[in-house]
Amino acid sequence: TQLLEQSPQFLSIQEGENLTVYCNSSSVFSSLQWYRQEPGEGPVLLVTVVTGGEVKKLKRLTFQFGDARKDSSLHITAAQPGDTGLYLCAGKGGNEKLTFGTGTRLTIIP
Amino acid sequence: DSGVTQTPKHLITATGQRVTLRCSPRSGDLSVYWYQQSLDQGLQFLIQYYNGEERAKGNILERFSAQQFPDLHSELNLSSLELGDSALYFCASSVADSPYEQYFGPGTRLTVT
Repeated sequence: TQLLEQSPQFLSIQEGENLTVYCNSSSVFSSLQWYRQEPGEGPVLLVTVVTGGEVKKLKRLTFQFGDARKDSSLHITAAQPGDTGLYLCAGKGGNEKLTFGTGTRLTIIP
Repeated sequence: DSGVTQTPKHLITATGQRVTLRCSPRSGDLSVYWYQQSLDQGLQFLIQYYNGEERAKGNILERFSAQQFPDLHSELNLSSLELGDSALYFCASSVADSPYEQYFGPGTRLTVT
């Protein structure tokens, strides 16, 4: 079974600060996705990374896929209250199934 | 709005009962995925259908079943409900037979009392 551990589980920071959340596994994934989920809604896809070492930027969000394709990080610069939500990583393995991580619940305090 | 619709939004029922959750995928999407999200288990993949055929199974209990109809909408049937089945149930859809880019619906919150 492929497991994805996310850390930290909870993070509460002030508006304007920077933060990094992590997604780690002992398994190799062919691709990895990051989602944000707001209360009462379904997860929304933010990015997909495919190549080991790949870095993608989405405005203030920077996503990196580890060289060995076993881990990923999400860095947010100058966090805004609108960034509040549950961040989920999801890895696609060789069986084409998507395994979701345990999630990081982020709260940005105005 | 992802374009994926799910009904009902909320469902409260008693243990031992049976319920049906419905999902309409985005226009043009052939794959439908069902997920269960609970506080202690996170988001768990249950089952996938592609163009009416079952394609992949995850952690779906034998008490649960699903199908995808010719018009591509899908239903998830949950029977002999237990308290532990209380969760958010999400449907997602994608164009291809792969969860590479899937869009989630707003979910159905099931409460079993």
